[in-house]
Amino acid sequence: GEDVEQSLFLSVREGDSSVINCTYTDSSSTYLYWYKQEPGAGLQLLTYIFSNMDMKQDQRLTVLLNKKDKHLSLRIADTQTGDSAIYFCAESANTGGFKTIFGAGTRLFVKA
Amino acid sequence: SQTIHQWPATLVQPVGSPLSLECTVEGTSNPNLYWYRQAAGRGLQLLFYSVGIGQISSEVPQNLSASRPQDRQFILSSKKLLLSDSGFYLCAWNQQGDQPQHFGDGTRLSIL
Repeated sequence: GEDVEQSLFLSVREGDSSVINCTYTDSSSTYLYWYKQEPGAGLQLLTYIFSNMDMKQDQRLTVLLNKKDKHLSLRIADTQTGDSAIYFCAESANTGGFKTIFGAGTRLFVKA
Repeated sequence: SQTIHQWPATLVQPVGSPLSLECTVEGTSNPNLYWYRQAAGRGLQLLFYSVGIGQISSEVPQNLSASRPQDRQFILSSKKLLLSDSGFYLCAWNQQGDQPQHFGDGTRLSIL
């Protein structure tokens, strides 16, 4: 079945770039998403990319998609302490179903 | 603009008691609605989804049930809570199955 995998932890220093990686298995994915979850809160949609795109940039966020390797990454430039959170990768497919498959989340620690 | 509300934000219940969590969406019609559970330090588990009034799909066998009595209202229930029902419950919506889901702020449920 479909699966989304991501590393569980990432630690960076304030001001450095963070790169969070994700791999997925469903080659029919239409959209791939990155969500951010702060402690005790719901998931906030950060950005998403269509499967026919290679890259999307939105201010400090850059999403790279390698469809051949089924690899998605989120780069956060100039990482701040406020970026500390759990980041979820997710995929959905326009196959008539209604499921979005989420990874287990990567916990980003930003050290001052 | 569309908004999603969940309540209560936190709930402490004894084992064997009933449960009712409510989720409402404003600013849209005929949304797809979802209930997820997030165990501590884990990813999201899809519990139920609904594509219309009275239409509920269950993803995992469990002690919980869901209902959609109105277009923009989604309720998660249990007749008798178990210790294993503890967790963080998230409601989400989207307009079409493959589009980004938008999440409520969640309900933290503790069973004693």
